[in-house]
Amino acid sequence: RKEVEQDPGPFNVPEGATVAFNCTYSNSASQSFFWYRQDCRKEPKLLMSVYSSGNEDGRFTAQLNRASQYISLLIRDSKLSDSATYLCVVIMAGTALIFGKGTTLSVSS
Amino acid sequence: EAGVAQSPRYKIIEKRQSVAFWCNPISGHATLYWYQQILGQGPKLLIQFQNNGVVDDSQLPKDRFSAERLKGVDSTLKIQPAKLEDSAVYLCASSATPVEQFFGPGTRLTVL
Repeated sequence: RKEVEQDPGPFNVPEGATVAFNCTYSNSASQSFFWYRQDCRKEPKLLMSVYSSGNEDGRFTAQLNRASQYISLLIRDSKLSDSATYLCVVIMAGTALIFGKGTTLSVSS
Repeated sequence: EAGVAQSPRYKIIEKRQSVAFWCNPISGHATLYWYQQILGQGPKLLIQFQNNGVVDDSQLPKDRFSAERLKGVDSTLKIQPAKLEDSAVYLCASSATPVEQFFGPGTRLTVL
């Protein structure tokens, strides 16, 4: 079983749609969780951290369920500029980031 | 603030040749990482440095890959000899805290 698993998509949605991405992780000792965004042929950039209490930043909401070892990202009112690959990322104590394969989102007008 | 710098941006070599990549992290960032990102995959850690010491190189194919971070600032990653399956983007990242890593633009390697 892979350490971090994501549905690769692609998710093709119209502008204004709400879209949700899911991610599961295998190691219960995982301590920190993030969503990174990677545009085509660009480097990954931190989108937001994920907490059990939930984390909202504008149109983006991230949630962590430690019991189910499940992370989610919700994007409301999708914009064309949201088109990118969204990488689920996990850190265990003392380790570097462990990335999922990414979920590709394509928002069309 | 200047970001993470990497060079070259693109490199094409034939299999069995050698290649080296260079990374200059953000000033003051003690931790430096090299990742390999194969097309369609997420980045995979190759090696992590804390200052000039190696923290984690468990996924570095040591028979052909080597990396160093002399003086705890710049770093080089070398592949010798290259194989077809080494074709990927090599990303360097640096961080001051574990929470956020800042990535460079990457070096896109094609092995023919």
